[in-house]
Amino acid sequence: AQSVTQLGSHVSVSEGALVLLRCNYSSSVPPYLFWYVQYPNQGLQLLLKYTTGATLVKGINGFEAEFKKSETSFHLTKPSAHMSDAAEYFCAVSDDNAGNMLTFGGGTRLMVKP
Amino acid sequence: NAGVTQTPKFRILKIGQSMTLQCTQDMNHNYMYWYRQDPGMGLKLIYYSVGAGITDKGEVPNGYNVSRSTTEDFPLRLELAAPSQTSVYFCASSYLPSEQYFGPGTRLTVT
Repeated sequence: AQSVTQLGSHVSVSEGALVLLRCNYSSSVPPYLFWYVQYPNQGLQLLLKYTTGATLVKGINGFEAEFKKSETSFHLTKPSAHMSDAAEYFCAVSDDNAGNMLTFGGGTRLMVKP
Repeated sequence: NAGVTQTPKFRILKIGQSMTLQCTQDMNHNYMYWYRQDPGMGLKLIYYSVGAGITDKGEVPNGYNVSRSTTEDFPLRLELAAPSQTSVYFCASSYLPSEQYFGPGTRLTVT
């Protein structure tokens, strides 16, 4: 069975600072990994995904994530936070054994201070 | 192209009442899903469908029913609402199972 752990339910950074949101997963087979963003009172929007190939994945709004198999991690980063990045971020995993159905982490709320 | 639409946006139900949450997608996706989102708990899959006429249970199906008579629509039925069903409900659709597009959600309160 798959599982996803997001370390830190709340992360606060200053505008212009590095954003680092952590995600660790468990999967018995090669995983597909995703980050979704949820702005207040909206549905989830796909930020980026890893399926195969290059382990450093670039997404929308300047975010990127690196798949590290040895660490079973898929941390999300952005070099310089903007006020508009304040939102909730969800890491998700799927794999062939689960019919490619998504399993979500508990989410991390990112707050950006001026 | 509206994507995934959900109605209503908000609803308050009394314990024991029933209701249907509507979900429609115009992207001709085969896969459709219903999730509930509770604070700090991420999203839990309630039911999903891989095509018209085919539905299956997810992680938390108790207290809910679904049907899929067309590709576009995937309504979620709550029978005998309970306070534990207070949540935000999201419908999603996809061409591939893992690349899902989400609707804006329905906020349901059961009192």
